[in-house]
Amino acid sequence: VQLLESGPRLVKPSESLSLTCTVSTDAMSPYYWAWIRQPPGKGLESIGYVYYTGNTYYNPSFARRVTMSVDRSQNQFSLILNSVTAADTATYYCARVGDCSGASCTWTFYMDVWGKGTTVTVSS
Amino acid sequence: HGLTQPPSVSVAPGQTATISCGGDSVATESVHWYQQRPGQAPVLVVFDDRDRPSGIPDRFYGASSGNTATLTITRVEAGDEADYYCQLWDRNIDHVVFGGGTKLTVL
Repeated sequence: VQLLESGPRLVKPSESLSLTCTVSTDAMSPYYWAWIRQPPGKGLESIGYVYYTGNTYYNPSFARRVTMSVDRSQNQFSLILNSVTAADTATYYCARVGDCSGASCTWTFYMDVWGKGTTVTVSS
Repeated sequence: HGLTQPPSVSVAPGQTATISCGGDSVATESVHWYQQRPGQAPVLVVFDDRDRPSGIPDRFYGASSGNTATLTITRVEAGDEADYYCQLWDRNIDHVVFGGGTKLTVL
């Protein structure tokens, strides 16, 4: 499986950042799919997850301005982050969450496949 | 609710590097580790405390005890020089958290 992020590299302050991740195979089921970002010179930060059914799980830090969705017909999932500021300048990664394990199918939310990342700059 | 990692670890080639990850949730949740070489995307090297994905050499192994998880890299090579991040699902915020990262320098 390979993942490829796409979308505008430059976004104006107060506007919306919109990214799409294309999955190379017809295998979005039965996984969770993630968006992770990394500001320049800083660490990793989870934005949220979308299940292949469309259920979403957002980081509380982003919940008020993020929307994620999945389009299984296109093997894609997407991120929209509203009201961006310079603090949202970062490399954005999409990733697949590794499979659940055990008889009860417990998810531990590790990311086993990552895209190469796309750098988004917020600037006027 | 954060995860604490040392900012940097240095080790000579052929020696063993140990990177710690501390936090209250470590005691109850599975910990995962990622390697990020400069300019590249993270790569999963250990999941569920001690399991390795296929293709990751057995020089990388993880352990967890109490509130501290540890990534150990034996017979360190120049190519192991990277940032390493720990991560788990934090039930307190019902979301994933990452450690601040540890820069491994191979002397």
